[in-house]
Amino acid sequence: EVQVVESGGGLVQPGGSLRLSCAASGFTFSRHWMNWVRQAPGKGLEWVANIKQDGSEKYYVDSVKGRFTISRDNAKNSVFLEMHSLRAEDTALYHCARGFCIGTSCYGNYFDSWGQGTLVTVSS
Amino acid sequence: EIVLTQSPATLSLSPGERATLSCRASQSITDYLAWYQRKPGQAPRLLIYDASKRAPGIPARFSGSGSGTDFTLTISSLEPEDFAIYYCQQRYSWPLTFGGGTKVDIK
Repeated sequence: EVQVVESGGGLVQPGGSLRLSCAASGFTFSRHWMNWVRQAPGKGLEWVANIKQDGSEKYYVDSVKGRFTISRDNAKNSVFLEMHSLRAEDTALYHCARGFCIGTSCYGNYFDSWGQGTLVTVSS
Repeated sequence: EIVLTQSPATLSLSPGERATLSCRASQSITDYLAWYQRKPGQAPRLLIYDASKRAPGIPARFSGSGSGTDFTLTISSLEPEDFAIYYCQQRYSWPLTFGGGTKVDIK
């Protein structure tokens, strides 16, 4: 069974840092792009960042560039999101999401398996 | 940034009825659009990719159409489990963006 499970969320003060982790199982992790997508309270979905299968390409939404860093460890089937200089507007449920593959085609920018999310609250 | 505008915000229908959801892009995205379903307390589920291709395991009552800037998700006959929020998402350019969602609720 395909599973992605996030951890590492919590309450942090503005300007603080947090590291989110996502543990994947049930599939060939190194074949897939991996993504972080967030949903702020009462808001819609917002894509945050993603990383190519071998880690050679990374992309971010403008609002987190320079503050967040995505990385992965294919040996441990894990993807991470390092978050610094956190702001109140970063408060959200953060989902790890697998990039979609079908047959021999991989669409890193569609998401076919999502975790339940880990909650990040930025508040003093 | 490509803005996706979904309409209507809420669609109130009865089981068995046809649902038609719209997603409009602020510029052409060819057919690089996906649709997701989200139920309370659950992770989103990929329904449609590249505008009209059903993801594995998705029932045939879900269909997608459109290209360029105008897209439609159609649910041919609503089942009780289909009442949820639906989001569109584009992969044409960075940053990847989602629409604001359409809630399909029971009339």
